[in-house]
Amino acid sequence: EPEVTQTPSHQVTQMGQEVILRCVPISNHLYFYWYRQILGQKVEFLVSFYNNEISEKSEIFDDQFSVERPDGSNFTLKIRSTKLEDSAMYFCASRVGLAGGSSYEQYFGPGTRLTVT
Amino acid sequence: AQSVTQLGSHVSVSEGALVLLRCNYSSSVPPYLFWYVQYPNQGLQLLLKYTSAATLVKGINGFEAEFKKSETSFHLTKPSAHMSDAAEYFCAVSEKNNDMRFGAGTRLTVKP
Repeated sequence: EPEVTQTPSHQVTQMGQEVILRCVPISNHLYFYWYRQILGQKVEFLVSFYNNEISEKSEIFDDQFSVERPDGSNFTLKIRSTKLEDSAMYFCASRVGLAGGSSYEQYFGPGTRLTVT
Repeated sequence: AQSVTQLGSHVSVSEGALVLLRCNYSSSVPPYLFWYVQYPNQGLQLLLKYTSAATLVKGINGFEAEFKKSETSFHLTKPSAHMSDAAEYFCAVSEKNNDMRFGAGTRLTVKP
């Protein structure tokens, strides 16, 4: 069964460094998302991406964050200058986006645990 | 904008007892509703979803949920808890073509 994959599974970085989290969505999906989950807290929406542009973003997604779909398969989240509070699990998700009920289901990757020291 | 509220951050039941995890939603349009389970140090696994078809939805691992529009609820139930059900459960709502908004989660503990 197709699945969303994410790399790396764990990333440790120093405060102020740039990090890029990578995701490979399911191949025929059209909508892509990033969420984050600070340890012990709920999953929070960061950004959605469709047709090569951001369709929606939350207040968390400030100028330090950017997303890109550099080729036909990867979807990346970049944090330009990491802060301690960026430490979290970051989940990528994708969905088909066609008309019909099942198209609204988002498929989640296993997550990347980002630790900022 | 859509949102969900999960009542009870922690629920504890005995093995074999009924599991009831509560979720209420707010949405300006007919919503799509989901329950996800997260085991320790793992990602999110879809348990079940409501997408405007049958109001009683059956999912994996014996879980089910009923969409009640009049109560704006989508509570998750399982008749008989198993030790392997211990996990964090998240209710989520999505409006058409929108992002998914999650509740704060409910940690389920199952006592032997």
